[in-house]
Parts: sequence; structure tokens; C-alpha cells
Amino acid sequence: AQSVSQHNHHVILSEAASLELGCNYSYGGTVNLFWYVQYPGQHLQLLLKYFSGDPLVKGIKGFEAEFIKSKFSFNLRKPSVQWSDTAEYFCAVSREYGNKLVFGAGTILRVKS
Amino acid sequence: GAGVSQSPRYKVAKRGQDVALRCDPISGHVSLFWYQQALGQGPEFLTYFQNEAQLDKSGLPSDRFFAERPEGSVSTLKIQRTQQEDSAVYLCASSLPRRLGETQYFGPGTRLLVL
Repeated sequence: AQSVSQHNHHVILSEAASLELGCNYSYGGTVNLFWYVQYPGQHLQLLLKYFSGDPLVKGIKGFEAEFIKSKFSFNLRKPSVQWSDTAEYFCAVSREYGNKLVFGAGTILRVKS
Repeated sequence: GAGVSQSPRYKVAKRGQDVALRCDPISGHVSLFWYQQALGQGPEFLTYFQNEAQLDKSGLPSDRFFAERPEGSVSTLKIQRTQQEDSAVYLCASSLPRRLGETQYFGPGTRLLVL
């Protein structure tokens, strides 16, 4: 069965620090990869996605993620975080012709102002 | 435009009670998903509809869980004889017709607490 691992459950950073959240998945076939974000009191929103092409994907609010197929990884990065990035971040995977998403456990990011 | 809506937003049920959770997908979205999110965990897939057809119900944890989408729009997730372990947030998501990499848009969820 597919699984998704997120390396850190809680991350605390100061404003302007750089962010990298790890995500590894176990499925060996072709996959679609997603990062979703849930801001306090809001619903899950798509941050960025990869399904083909350039393995470096740029999303909203300055986030980017790099798909490294050989490492089964899809790490999320942001060069300089802001207080408003405080949220929970979920990595998710779906199979090429399957629709259901398999989520990681999430990483709670707190940015100190 | 309007996003995915869910009702009720909060539900408290006594153990053994039946509950029904409603999802209104984005207009025109033929795919609809239900997920269950336990405290401190990521969402877990329950079931998937394409229009009115339930194509995958492999994630439903027991036969107490039942979902329907009779007219291919609104969906209802029903849980019979609720138990404490059913306490979770139930998320609904919808997406455009099946194609590679389609995005699922999530609703705000229904937080169910079974006492």
C-alpha cells in the first residue's frame, strides 16, 4: 500500500528563516504529488502540485517543491518565511490513473514574529 | 465562485446514534471524495464518486458507514450506530472530470464528536 512520510510533526522558525519540509512516499509507479496547506480556522487549500515536466514546481506565496524520483521525495521549500505562513502542511500522493489522495500526517509550522 | 460546502459544521452524537453528513460540491465537479481526519493525523480516504456512481469504497472502515450521491451532485455520508472511534473531522472534496493531475478542492469539514 502507498504511504507518505513527513519528517517533522512540529517546526518552529523565526520570520525570515528558510523552510524545508520533507516528504517521502513509498509507491514505485508514476505518481502525482501535492502539498496542501491548512491555515488556522480555514480548510485545506492546494499549495502546489506536480504531475509531469519540470521537477521543480513553484506554487503560491513563494513556495516551491522539488520532485526527486530516485529518492521518492517531494520536499517543500521557502527561502524566507513570514508569520502568516503559520499553518499545517500536508504532503499527498495519488497514482497516475487513480484519484484518491494518500496524505502524510502533516507538519505544523509556527513562525515567530 | 462558491467552494465546497459541508453541513453541519459540528455534530455531537451519543454513542449508538445515527448521523448524516452532507456535502455540496463545486458546481460542475463530477468527482467527489470523502476523507476522515482523526486528531493529529492526515486525512484518510473513505470513498469516491464519479457522478452518481460510487467507484471506490475501499476506505470505509465498516458496514456502519454508507455514502450516496443519488443525483450526481450533493452527497451524504451516513454513519449508523456511531462509536467513540468515529470521532473525527469528515472532509469532502470535489474535482473536475478525471484526468491526469486534477486538483481536489476541499470543504471546511464536519467535526463529529461521539460521546
